[in-house]
Amino acid sequence: KNEVEQSPQNLTAQEGEFITINCSYSVGISALHWLQQHPGGGIVSLFMLSSGKKKHGRLIATINIQEKHSSLHITASHPRDSAVYICAVKDSNYQLIWGAGTKLIIKP
Amino acid sequence: KAGVTQTPRYLIKTRGQQVTLSCSPISGHRSVSWYQQTPGQGLQFLFEYFSETQRNKGNFPGRFSGRQFSNSRSEMNVSTLELGDSALYLCASSLGGLSGNIQYFGAGTRLSVL
Repeated sequence: KNEVEQSPQNLTAQEGEFITINCSYSVGISALHWLQQHPGGGIVSLFMLSSGKKKHGRLIATINIQEKHSSLHITASHPRDSAVYICAVKDSNYQLIWGAGTKLIIKP
Repeated sequence: KAGVTQTPRYLIKTRGQQVTLSCSPISGHRSVSWYQQTPGQGLQFLFEYFSETQRNKGNFPGRFSGRQFSNSRSEMNVSTLELGDSALYLCASSLGGLSGNIQYFGAGTRLSVL
């Protein structure tokens, strides 16, 4: 079993839909990151969370430390949100453990 | 503030050669991490340097090595290249605090081994 699991692996939605991507982990962590990777390889760090909830524009990230679970939400989705979204946790040895990513396609 | 800069952007080598990749972190960032990305394996952690010391290492053979200079710039070296080393190599920098910091990624170096 992977230490960081993301679901779904693939997600296709219509423009305007509310999107949720989930991340569950099984190790103790000091922080959890959500990253976005566009076709061509560019990676953007979206959020770093250690508790609670963060919001940036149409993106919202939440984390529940007790349940070892985090969610990334996109409101009013747009085709430019199409990308791979990656969850990564930093464990007590400072090592980042990566999820497999969720490929999101937003159709106009 | 300039972002993370990786050079070169593209590199073509043949089997058996060695290669050195460079990463200049964001000014003030002391932690530099290296990752290998392949279509089949996704992102794999190589190692992390903090204040010129390797703080953590992933499960890669000894052919993969790195170092960090006093100005926080980092280099990664791969010796005796194999075809399977063809990948996008990403560098990320962060402030490097113990509680976790957002990592900022460079555009990557795409290495092709022929």
